[in-house]
Parts: sequence; structure tokens; C-alpha cells
Amino acid sequence: AQTVTQSQPEMSVQEAETVTLSCTYDTSENNYYLFWYKQPPSRQMILVIRQEAYKQQNATENRFSVNFQKAAKSFSLKISDSQLGDTAMYFCAFMGTQGGSEKLVFGKGTKLTVNP
Amino acid sequence: NAGVMQNPRHLVRRRGQEARLRCSPMKGHSHVYWYRQLPEEGLKFMVYLQKENIIDESGMPKERFSAEFPKEGPSILRIQQVVRGDSAAYFCASSLSGPVNTGELFFGEGSRLTVL
Repeated sequence: AQTVTQSQPEMSVQEAETVTLSCTYDTSENNYYLFWYKQPPSRQMILVIRQEAYKQQNATENRFSVNFQKAAKSFSLKISDSQLGDTAMYFCAFMGTQGGSEKLVFGKGTKLTVNP
Repeated sequence: NAGVMQNPRHLVRRRGQEARLRCSPMKGHSHVYWYRQLPEEGLKFMVYLQKENIIDESGMPKERFSAEFPKEGPSILRIQQVVRGDSAAYFCASSLSGPVNTGELFFGEGSRLTVL
């Protein structure tokens, strides 16, 4: 079974600075998707960024980028120029492509606080 | 261009009562997923449905829980004889297509169930 581990329960960063959130996963599959979701206090799950495992290039979405290390099964999220609105829980998630089901496996999350 | 709609947003039930949570997927989406989030935890997969079919219910408790996605109308997650441990946020997500896909799920805002 796949597992996702987020080793940082809480992190904080000053506004305008850069922060990196860690995520590791375990799978025997070769083809899969990885995601970072943001959950603000409103509790809605918002997709931040996703990565296909077969793509070597790291995904980037504006201030958000990932460092995908397939061999190490690591998928960290870097937030540049942090803004107060980035304060939220961040969940790393894995989706396999075998077995016919698109179920996401989530980590336990990292609570990020951006300080003014 | 409505997203995934869930209702009710908040539901309070006494032990032994039934809870019904509804989810209308995004327009054009025929794949629906239910996830449960306990306090301080990530989301856990419960069930994956397509119109009139349950594809994967491996994450759903065998007793008291059921889900459906009829040909017409929203998907329903039903919890019979609720207990305090059922208190959680229940999220619905939808996607456009199955496993050969974009690998992206769109989430609703969740339904928070409180069992007294």
C-alpha cells in the first residue's frame, strides 16, 4: 500500500521569504501523480500543484514549485515570496495509476503560518 | 461554472440518528469520490463511484455506511445509527474521467458532521 509522510507538523515563515515543505512517499508503481493541496481555514481543498512521475521536469505554478526526486521518493514544495494568504494546512498526496481507482493518499499535513 | 457542491455544510445529529450528505459534481463530471477528514488528520479515501456504480469502496466501513450516485441527482453518502466517532468533515471530489485521465480531482467545501 502507498503511504505519504509529511515530517513537519508545523512551520512558519516571514512574509516575502521562501519556505520548503517536505514530503516523502512509498510506492512500488512506476507511473503515478503527486499533488500538493492547500486547505485554508475555510477548509476547502485547493490544488496548488501537481507532478506526473514520468516527467523529469519539476512542476512550477507562479510562486510554487516542487523538487521531485523520483529515486528518493521525495516531493517537496517550495513557496517563494510568501504571502499572508498562504497561511493554511498543506497536504501532499499520491495517486497511483494501477488498479482502476483514482484514489488519493494524503499525508497528515503541514500547518504553515506566514508572519507579517 | 459551479464547482463541486456539497450540502449541508454543517450537520448535527444525535447518536443513533441517520446522516445524509449530498454531493453534486462539477458539470460534465461522472466520477465522484468521498473522503473523510478527522481532526488534525489528512483526508482518507472512502468510496469511488460512477453513475449508478460503485467502483471502489475499499475505504468505507462495512457497517452503517453506504453511498450511491444515481442516474439523476446528486451522490449521497449515508451514515446510519451515527456514533460520536463519525464526527468528521466529509469531502466530495469529482473528476472528468477515469484512470486514463488528467489525474486531477476537484473538491467541494466539505460537510462537517457533529454527533452529539
